[in-house]
Amino acid sequence: EDQVTQSPEALRLQEGESSSLNCSYTVSGLRGLFWYRQDPGKGPEFLFTLYSAGEEKEKERLKATLTKKESFLHITAPKPEDSATYLCALIQGAQKLVFGQGTRLTINP
Amino acid sequence: DGGITQSPKYLFRKEGQNVTLSCEQNLNHDAMYWYRQDPGQGLRLIYYSQIVNDFQKGDIAEGYSVSREKKESFPLTVTSAQKNPTAFYLCASSLVADNNEQFFGPGTRLTVL
Repeated sequence: EDQVTQSPEALRLQEGESSSLNCSYTVSGLRGLFWYRQDPGKGPEFLFTLYSAGEEKEKERLKATLTKKESFLHITAPKPEDSATYLCALIQGAQKLVFGQGTRLTINP
Repeated sequence: DGGITQSPKYLFRKEGQNVTLSCEQNLNHDAMYWYRQDPGQGLRLIYYSQIVNDFQKGDIAEGYSVSREKKESFPLTVTSAQKNPTAFYLCASSLVADNNEQFFGPGTRLTVL
């Protein structure tokens, strides 16, 4: 059974303090992994798609990387506006997505 | 502006009532999806549709029904058979092609009184 586990559940950082969020997965044949950002009370906002081990993508202070067993979302010198819940999801046949439970990130000024 | 709209933003339901959540998109996407999100949990798929007049059950379809009469619209009905309907409901759409990202609407928060 395809599974996605995100850690930590919550992370609190000071502004400018870099860190990484983890997304571990088990899947029979990776077709793709998505990262989304979700603000409270809103729908998820697409960030990245990664397709194969070794792939990396960047957007502003965020960089997503992928290995055969996990993906990391690295956040460099974060600002308070980066506070959100970050979700990862696997593609599971017919475009179905299997989501992790998310990491709630808080950046203190 | 292209995007996905959901209405209403907040919805209150009495026990035993059916309610319908609206989802409309003008992105010309063929595929549409409904997810449920509970506090501290990931999104769970309720129903999805890849073409007009066709849809499939997701992982938690019991107590829900959908229709897809138009490409742009994919309404979700929460029936009285759904025993614990209080949740945040999210609609999404995507192109029907391998590995295309899904774009989400703003969500509807349903509360049972």
